[in-house]
Amino acid sequence: GDSVTQMEGPVTLSEEAFLTINCTYTATGYPSLFWYVQYPGEGLQLLLKATKADDKGSNKGFEATYRKETTSFHLEKGSVQVSDSAVYFCALSDQAGGGNKLTFGTGTQLKVEL
Amino acid sequence: NAGVTQTPKFRILKIGQSMTLQCTQDMNHNYMYWYRQDPGMGLKLIYYSVGAGITDKGEVPNGYNVSRSTTEDFPLRLELAAPSQTSVYFCASRMGQGVVYGYTFGSGTRLTVV
Repeated sequence: GDSVTQMEGPVTLSEEAFLTINCTYTATGYPSLFWYVQYPGEGLQLLLKATKADDKGSNKGFEATYRKETTSFHLEKGSVQVSDSAVYFCALSDQAGGGNKLTFGTGTQLKVEL
Repeated sequence: NAGVTQTPKFRILKIGQSMTLQCTQDMNHNYMYWYRQDPGMGLKLIYYSVGAGITDKGEVPNGYNVSRSTTEDFPLRLELAAPSQTSVYFCASRMGQGVVYGYTFGSGTRLTVV
């Protein structure tokens, strides 16, 4: 079945450091890929998405590129802020058209310190 | 705009007790979902609904029941609580099927069964 693997946390960075959170996936067909973020005490929020190979999703300085050849969707940000501290989830949808469920990775906690 | 509201936020149950986790959305979304998140694991789909009166099982439905009598509400029922049901439960909704329709998540219910 479909699965998503992402790097374990917590990841601790200093403010203005470069961030990479790795995500790889296994799926049949052509999934859509997502990054969700969960701030403390809140629900998951969509951060960015990509629907086909070589698409780049971007939002709030975060980027991720859909790499079909490596089945990856790594999250990057050039300069993190304390306010980026949260848990980040990589996810896929089981059909290119959106499907009817999301398959999530285990989440990666990011802590950004001054 | 409240979005997706889950109650309660925290609950401790004894083995064998029953309870209902409430989920309400005010966005007139057709699709609603229940996920659980166990420590160190990704979110797993329990049940979902594509509209009032229609529900279907997800990956891990055993021990749970749902109903969808209105568009707004999608309660999750635990009849005989077991320690294996200790988890964080997330409700989500979206307007339709397809990647253009984003998911809106509630802030979660943390349930402990002792």
